[in-house]
Amino acid sequence: IAGITQAPTSQILAAGRRMTLRCTQDMRHNAMYWYRQDLGLGLRLIHYSNTAGTTGKGEVPDGYSVSRANTDDFPLTLASAVPSQTSVYFCASSPGLESNEQFFGPGTRLTVL
Amino acid sequence: GQNIDQPTEMTATEGAIVQINCTYQTSGFNGLFWYQQHAGEAPTFLSYNVLDGLEEKGRFSSFLSRSKGYSYLLLKELQMKDSASYLCAVRDGNYQLIWGAGTKLIIKP
Repeated sequence: IAGITQAPTSQILAAGRRMTLRCTQDMRHNAMYWYRQDLGLGLRLIHYSNTAGTTGKGEVPDGYSVSRANTDDFPLTLASAVPSQTSVYFCASSPGLESNEQFFGPGTRLTVL
Repeated sequence: GQNIDQPTEMTATEGAIVQINCTYQTSGFNGLFWYQQHAGEAPTFLSYNVLDGLEEKGRFSSFLSRSKGYSYLLLKELQMKDSASYLCAVRDGNYQLIWGAGTKLIIKP
């Protein structure tokens, strides 16, 4: 693989179900991010990680959790999905938080019914 | 609160020049970014400004005035493939990116 991959590409989920969105990068970047993108709104940061073993909350963290067990993987979990979590989710990475560019994965389109 | 403003939509003609403006109010400033996003795709990096002035990169240029909280992206010699959304983002004092809602640019022949 080259760059960032996300899985699944899209998913329809019943409200109340648990869901994990997967993100893997092979660039050995220290920093990783999860954003959601909704029509008419800018990208909003959900959670981020500065390095393996550490995570931080972004602008809209409620209802989401993340882990960073190693450098490459940064899964995002919705413990009990709600319709307001219907969105397109992008994972991104950068060499560090201060880097001049973030690299984005292809996105996961999630629909919660 | 933190805020990034940019026009919702702009229309331009193939071969022409277009300027997309962005104004911002953030808690701290550690750089301004422009990204391009084609419909249904991920954002891709265009430019980064941290000091006042103009940064030129081929057909694209980006300008920053920190005292005015203002930036613009200038696209020259427009091509049909430039039809996309252009996202302005500011890295705040906590090194988090605050994003504008994006400007949808429509290029007409």
